[in-house]
Amino acid sequence: NAGVMQNPRHLVRRRGQEARLRCSPMKGHSHVYWYRQLPEEGLKFMVYLQKENIIDESGMPKERFSAEFPKEGPSILRIQQVVRGDSAAYFCASSPVGWADTQYFGPGTRLTVL
Amino acid sequence: DAKTTQPPSMDCAEGRAANLPCNHSTISGNEYVYWYRQIHSQGPQYIIHGLKNNETNEMASLIITEDRKSSTLILPHATLRDTAVYYCIVRDSNTGNQFYFGTGTSLTVIP
Repeated sequence: NAGVMQNPRHLVRRRGQEARLRCSPMKGHSHVYWYRQLPEEGLKFMVYLQKENIIDESGMPKERFSAEFPKEGPSILRIQQVVRGDSAAYFCASSPVGWADTQYFGPGTRLTVL
Repeated sequence: DAKTTQPPSMDCAEGRAANLPCNHSTISGNEYVYWYRQIHSQGPQYIIHGLKNNETNEMASLIITEDRKSSTLILPHATLRDTAVYYCIVRDSNTGNQFYFGTGTSLTVIP
């Protein structure tokens, strides 16, 4: 049973470009969460999604960031017009039932903005 | 969610038990105690969680005090691969969407 998959594992972008991060939840999981970890800091919650719905985006920056979890395919975290401060590790987690359940994390995508 | 306090770092000799403390003095009745660890910038790995009773699984044991204001994660026979940052998190499973990760305890297992 494969765990949470994230790709790419490493992503390099120049300032002003777009970054797309993908997350495939564990089999049977329909709830996805995105977290960001800045260097030397703990993980910070960004957004919680179910299929085709955003449930909680209280941790998402108001501009340039968006997330989706379509009916088919992986969840996508999109960062438009990246800046150096976006350089971080982005982790996706999934759970089978919802926010009451344990979350299982993927290996992360390390974004570097030049 | 309640705030947790953990020592920033600890050492443990290989083969000995590692006891990682966590204070959560403001925990409420609906909040569970979760432990995750993060090995060298990998994704956080779930270890164990509990509400009131002590819990044990193949990875660790969780001891929660009777007043629930503190807990201890026990790795019974630490190995070098247990070197990681350990996060103690309390979360209300009725309302909490997210896990609040603090700075955790950096555990170093020494040969």
